Amino acid sequence: AAGVIQSPRHLIKEKRETATLKCYPIPRHDTVYWYQQGPGQDPQFLISFYEKMQSDKGSIPDRFSAQQFSDYHSELNMSSLELGDSALYFCASSTRRLAGGQYNEQFFGPGTRLTVL
Amino acid sequence: AQKVTQAQTEISVVEKEDVTLDCVYETRDTTYYLFWYKQPPSGELVFLIRRNSFDEQNEISGRYSWNFQKSTSSFNFTITASQVVDSAVYFCALSGQGGSEKLVFGKGTKLTVNP
Repeated sequence: AAGVIQSPRHLIKEKRETATLKCYPIPRHDTVYWYQQGPGQDPQFLISFYEKMQSDKGSIPDRFSAQQFSDYHSELNMSSLELGDSALYFCASSTRRLAGGQYNEQFFGPGTRLTVL
Repeated sequence: AQKVTQAQTEISVVEKEDVTLDCVYETRDTTYYLFWYKQPPSGELVFLIRRNSFDEQNEISGRYSWNFQKSTSSFNFTITASQVVDSAVYFCALSGQGGSEKLVFGKGTKLTVNP
């Protein structure tokens, strides 16, 4: 079965550089979530999109932006990178739960490991 | 606000021992969902189980079992006859009823199973 694809899997950047992480959801999934997991930390929710519109926002720095495209893939853009941005970035996808409906599973990608030097 | 607490930071056991990972949650939602994920050293997040707030039945899957008690806001995870391959960080997570279904994770419990 198709899974969530994230690219690149590993990325090394210098301070103050920019980075773009890409996420390709499972086919027919219309919702994408981004999470950041620092070393030894739990995953923290950054932002989510449903049908190309931002649906929720967490602790995402102003230096980061994200969007979802017409083919439902999503990109997380990170500018003015700092050492503290070094982390594992997960993308997850799901189908939107209908009002009163059952929760729809989030399927996680393998993550992109970003190292800022 | 939603919160998940995993009080055990690290647990070390010897192979074949049983081990229970604790999870306590806080939420004001009447409908919510609880999860356990496994994160092996390779880093991926592996989904283990989802539980609805209105279904308090315990569940067993092979060597894994889960005990959900709304009265104590707990969702504990037991591994029976642990194996070295069970060594990983285990996260308990919570998702509420309204808005996006973002997951709120606990800090995780690192389980080491020694041969």
